[in-house]
Amino acid sequence: EVQLVESGGGLVQPGRSLRLSCAASGFTFDDYAMHWVRQAPGKGLEWVSGISWNSGSIGYADSVKGRFTISRDNAKNSLYLQMNSLRAEDTALYYCAKDIGPHIAVADPFDYWGQGTLVTVSS
Amino acid sequence: QSVLTQPPSVSGAPGQRVTISCTGSSSNIGAGYDVHWYQQLPGTAPKLLIYGNSNRPSGVPDRFSGSKSGTSASLAITGLQAEDEADYYCQSYDSSLSYVFGTGTKVTVL
Repeated sequence: EVQLVESGGGLVQPGRSLRLSCAASGFTFDDYAMHWVRQAPGKGLEWVSGISWNSGSIGYADSVKGRFTISRDNAKNSLYLQMNSLRAEDTALYYCAKDIGPHIAVADPFDYWGQGTLVTVSS
Repeated sequence: QSVLTQPPSVSGAPGQRVTISCTGSSSNIGAGYDVHWYQQLPGTAPKLLIYGNSNRPSGVPDRFSGSKSGTSASLAITGLQAEDEADYYCQSYDSSLSYVFGTGTKVTVL
């Protein structure tokens, strides 16, 4: 059974940093691209970042480019999101999602999602 | 900011057919990128409902169907059931090198 478990969320002040983690199990992690998608309270879904199977290709939404860094450790079956210079508008539930293929930027869907970790940016 | 536009809400009685539109542009759906649909039940994570415009993952009832034409796509739910009450999102890819989601549609079963 595929499982994606996010952690690392919490309350943080504007301008500070936070690192999210996603522990994957139930599939061959290094065969697939992975993504972070967020959902602000009461709002829709927003793609944040994606990384290919071997970290060779990485993409970011314009809203986080230069502030967030995605990475993965295939030996640990883990995905990460380093979030710096956090803003109030980054407040959201952050989901880890598995791509159906190994590459990003090919319009593939996300076939499994975690339950999310909540990030609240407030003073 | 969503670049795929969906109606905020649709509703129907049990057993009826409802459709949800997803309107994009020449840089995403119209550029030939596939459209996918997700169902988000209250308080849960999104679930892949339709992929590659019209394909259903294993376990998704055939009451759900998808189509794509030009710069738009549609999701149809036939034989509407109470358990279908949820938020639905379309997704595609944009030539600006970004995955894009629709604005979301809340389906209410009357």
